[in-house]
Amino acid sequence: AQRVTQPEKLLSVFKGAPVELKCNYSYSGSPELFWYVQYSRQRLQLLLRHISRESIKGFTADLNKGETSFHLKKPFAQEEDSAMYYCALSRTTGTASKLTFGTGTRLQVTL
Amino acid sequence: EPEVTQTPSHQVTQMGQEVILRCVPISNHLYFYWYRQILGQKVEFLVSFYNNEISEKSEIFDDQFSVERPDGSNFTLKIRSTKLEDSAMYFCASSEYRYGYTFGSGTRLTVV
Repeated sequence: AQRVTQPEKLLSVFKGAPVELKCNYSYSGSPELFWYVQYSRQRLQLLLRHISRESIKGFTADLNKGETSFHLKKPFAQEEDSAMYYCALSRTTGTASKLTFGTGTRLQVTL
Repeated sequence: EPEVTQTPSHQVTQMGQEVILRCVPISNHLYFYWYRQILGQKVEFLVSFYNNEISEKSEIFDDQFSVERPDGSNFTLKIRSTKLEDSAMYFCASSEYRYGYTFGSGTRLTVV
């Protein structure tokens, strides 16, 4: 069975400090991993996916298959980064895919 | 940027009543999904839909739930007889391919 673990419910950092949101996964196949962000009761927005290896809003995430991790990092936190962050793993089943989400980490950036 | 639209944003219903949650996916998308999030818990998969049929459904998606794409543009989730534990945020999503979801802003369902 696939599982995504985000160990921290809340991460509070000062503006300008580095951020690392942890995500570990359990999956027997080849994983496709994503980070989604949800700002203040808005829709879930795709932030990153590991396949594209891109950086969005200064965030990066590297898939580490040895440690089964996909931690989200940003060198300098901004106030506007305050949001709920969800790590998700995608599995293709039949004709469509299915996302398994972690429980989410609330990032709080303070002055 | 194209959006997935969900209506209503909030619905309150009495236990035992039927509710229909509506979604308008992005027009050229072929895959459609419903997820839900009970307050304080994680987002959970309910069902995926492709080519006018269910592709996969979760254990949560029992006989009380059904989905439909009645007119080629809307995608609906029906709960036949709501229970208190159905209270949650319901998210619709669509994708052009198997991945790359776009989520709607959700419908908060409150069952009283």
